[in-house]
Amino acid sequence: SYVLTQPPSVSVAPGQTARISCGGGDIGSKMVHWYQQKPGQAPVLVVFDNDDRPSGIPARFFGSNSGTTASLTIGSVEVGDEADYYCQVYDSDLSQGLFGGGTKLTVL
Amino acid sequence: QITLKESGPTLVKPTQTLTLTCSLAGFSIGSSGVSVAWIRQPPGKALEWLALIYWDDTTRYSPSVKSRIAVTKDASKNQVVLSLTNVDAEDTGTYYCAHIGYSGVYFDHWGPGILVTVSS
Repeated sequence: SYVLTQPPSVSVAPGQTARISCGGGDIGSKMVHWYQQKPGQAPVLVVFDNDDRPSGIPARFFGSNSGTTASLTIGSVEVGDEADYYCQVYDSDLSQGLFGGGTKLTVL
Repeated sequence: QITLKESGPTLVKPTQTLTLTCSLAGFSIGSSGVSVAWIRQPPGKALEWLALIYWDDTTRYSPSVKSRIAVTKDASKNQVVLSLTNVDAEDTGTYYCAHIGYSGVYFDHWGPGILVTVSS
């Protein structure tokens, strides 16, 4: 079965750039979506279709996808960006959705 | 404004059937192109996609629960219902329903979630 692999944690200082990876075989051929989840809250979509942002999401959130790795890049990281981040795809061949294991972003 | 809200029991006994309702506002589950998903999250763990239902009643289920799950819709009430049979402790978690985006299968609006505990 298809698996999405994320690092368990990423740490970054305020004002720096954070990169969160999402690995999967042939992921570059799929559309990847990213969610931010803060403690006790429902997830929020921050990037869809690899590199589009919903209205209201700052341009500091940037998505990319190529080959075997998709990435979420957060520029000029703020303390308020501290959260869990999940990547997600829909495998049309198998007709099922899939989430990565999540990455906890810590802002030092 | 699209909103979703989950409702149902917060405590279910092992082997029972869990039934959750997702009430929709700001869009109609009976409208062409509309779809809704169910996603759950065990305490302290990752999100898990469970199922989706399209406006035309087509459903898709995760292999992990396929033999125990059913999702239906009631267009007259603008609701989506999840049924999960023969629950056990591993079904404990927060259950979310979510609106699916129109350009692909992603979840652009989420309900607040409901925490369901399976325990005797």
